[in-house]
Amino acid sequence: SYVLTQPPSVSVAPGQTARITCGGNKIGSKSVHWYQQKPGQAPVLVVYDDSDRPSGIPERFSGSNSGNTATLTISRVEAGDEADYFCQVWDSSGDHVFGTGTKVTVL
Amino acid sequence: EVQLVQSGAEVKKPGESLKISCKNSGYSFTTYWIGWVRQTPGKGLEWMGSIYPGDSDTRYSPSFQGQVAISADKSITTAYLQWSNLKASDTAMYYCARQTGGTAFDYWGQGTLVTVSS
Repeated sequence: SYVLTQPPSVSVAPGQTARITCGGNKIGSKSVHWYQQKPGQAPVLVVYDDSDRPSGIPERFSGSNSGNTATLTISRVEAGDEADYFCQVWDSSGDHVFGTGTKVTVL
Repeated sequence: EVQLVQSGAEVKKPGESLKISCKNSGYSFTTYWIGWVRQTPGKGLEWMGSIYPGDSDTRYSPSFQGQVAISADKSITTAYLQWSNLKASDTAMYYCARQTGGTAFDYWGQGTLVTVSS
């Protein structure tokens, strides 16, 4: 089965840039989606199809995908961005696969 | 406004059956796939399966095939996740989520906490 690997944690100071990676075999050939989940809440889609943003998501959230790594970038990080972030793809086997998740801490 | 509203928390004993629900509103229920996702502290988010209410086409993750049943009732725009023989390991938060025209999940229910304990 397809595996997506994320770093367990990322720490960033307010105003700086956070980069969260999602590694998978030839992930660049797949569409990658990213979710933000705050404690006690359901996940929220923040980036879909590698780099598109749903309505209402700030431009500070952006995505890229190439080779074996997809990246979610959060620019000008705010305290409210502190959350868990998950990547997700649809595998050719027909399964939806989620990454292991990354906890973003704002220092 | 698109809304997915799930049924409330459940406490069950091992071996019991359970059916939780996900009421959909604000969009055409029969033209989007609805997925179910399990979340546990140890294993993060796991896709369990999805259903297309328009024709009840259902897909399951190999990890959950035979362990749960997914269904939908078009007349009341509600999707369901069902167990016939709960285990302690089924203790988790369960989310329903609408799948976009692509492969992302754009709207999520608030989650249903299922606790299985003797």
